[in-house]
Amino acid sequence: AQSVAQPEDQVNVAEGNPLTVKCTYSVSGNPYLFWYVQYPNRGLQFLLKYITGDNLVKGSYGFEAEFNKSQTSFHLKKPSALVSDSALYFCAVRDITHSSASKIIFGSGTRLSIRP
Amino acid sequence: SAVISQKPSRDICQRGTSLTIQCQVDSQVTMMFWYRQQPGQSLTLIATANQGSEATYESGFVIDKFPISRPNLTFSTLTVSNMSPEDSSIYLCSVEDGTANTGELFFGEGSRLTVL
Repeated sequence: AQSVAQPEDQVNVAEGNPLTVKCTYSVSGNPYLFWYVQYPNRGLQFLLKYITGDNLVKGSYGFEAEFNKSQTSFHLKKPSALVSDSALYFCAVRDITHSSASKIIFGSGTRLSIRP
Repeated sequence: SAVISQKPSRDICQRGTSLTIQCQVDSQVTMMFWYRQQPGQSLTLIATANQGSEATYESGFVIDKFPISRPNLTFSTLTVSNMSPEDSSIYLCSVEDGTANTGELFFGEGSRLTVL
């Protein structure tokens, strides 16, 4: 069975500093990996995804994530945080090895707080 | 990308009543997904709705409690039946990016339900 873990409930960073939001996953085969962001009272917005190819993927709002197969990780990063990045971030995984119709599993979420 | 509209955006309901949430997509999609996000928690998949067939429910969710309709390729409804305070959640409709077929989901803004 597939699963995804976000070990940190909250991450606090000063504006202008780099940020990292951690994610590890477990699948029996090849994963599709995603990051989503949720602002207060809003639905989820897609940030970026890893399907295949380059391990470093770039997404919206200056975010990027690095796929590390040996560590089964897909950490979200940004070189310089903005106060407007404060939100709830979800990592998600899909095991596409056996079926393209397999469901997407979401992590527990990490609340990112950027202080001015 | 798909644009998804959900109604109502929020509602306050009495115990024992039922509420139907509507989801409208601006393009035709094969599968629509209904998620629940309980307060402070991650997303849990309730069911997958395919046009022309019965919805597929995840473990812990049953059709009598969460009946789903999918009359066409752009619309679906989720009913929360015989509500109790434990049903207070955000209910999210989502669709897959059918053009890219890479598993990326698009979400509606969610329907925030409070049961008294």
